[in-house]
Amino acid sequence: DIQMTQSPSSLSASVGDRVTITCRASQSIGSYLNWYQQKPGKAPKLLIYAASSLQSGVPSTFSGSGSGTDFTLTITSLQPEDFATYYCQQSYNTPRTFGQGTKVEIK
Amino acid sequence: EVQVVESGGGLVKPGGSLRLSCAASGFIFSNAWMSWVRQAPGKGLEWVGRIKSTNEGGTTDYAAPVKGRFTVSRDDSKNTLYLQMNSLKTDDTAVYYCTTDLYLGGWYSRYWGQGTLVTVSS
Repeated sequence: DIQMTQSPSSLSASVGDRVTITCRASQSIGSYLNWYQQKPGKAPKLLIYAASSLQSGVPSTFSGSGSGTDFTLTITSLQPEDFATYYCQQSYNTPRTFGQGTKVEIK
Repeated sequence: EVQVVESGGGLVKPGGSLRLSCAASGFIFSNAWMSWVRQAPGKGLEWVGRIKSTNEGGTTDYAAPVKGRFTVSRDDSKNTLYLQMNSLKTDDTAVYYCTTDLYLGGWYSRYWGQGTLVTVSS
């Protein structure tokens, strides 16, 4: 199985900050990488698919980049509603493994 | 509007069985690939299994921890996805989400249900 490792596991940031979350795959997965946002008690929400494609309706403050084994989710200006946990997921093959999550908290 | 609504969760003893359902609407269910994802209390997301559309063979894939115990199936006439869970373990305690998978440059879970809680405990 492909292992997905996110860093950091958690971070504290302020409204307006630029935030970067990294996801590393244990083998090359091309651009088969998705990002999801999850708020407490809610289902995950798709943000980015195919490494860099922004899901319709998601603010343009979110962006994804990378290919191969190293990927990044960037939030250019953190908003109050962005405080949540973020997960990467590979869709190169099954099982479609997730990273362990990155919790973004208010500083 | 696309909707997927899970049901069937509850409390079950270790070694027991449970069947979850996911009622889908707002899209052509028979053409859809569908997945189950779970989340143990306070933990991250774990992909459980997937079923292809019937016209693509309806084949299934599973994560190692559930392979041989869980079965994903579908009834296109009822627009419903199922997860049959047998030989349940305490580690299977989780919220189980049904997702609709789409492909555009890669597969992704576009629509998610609200989840149904399965508790395995004696």
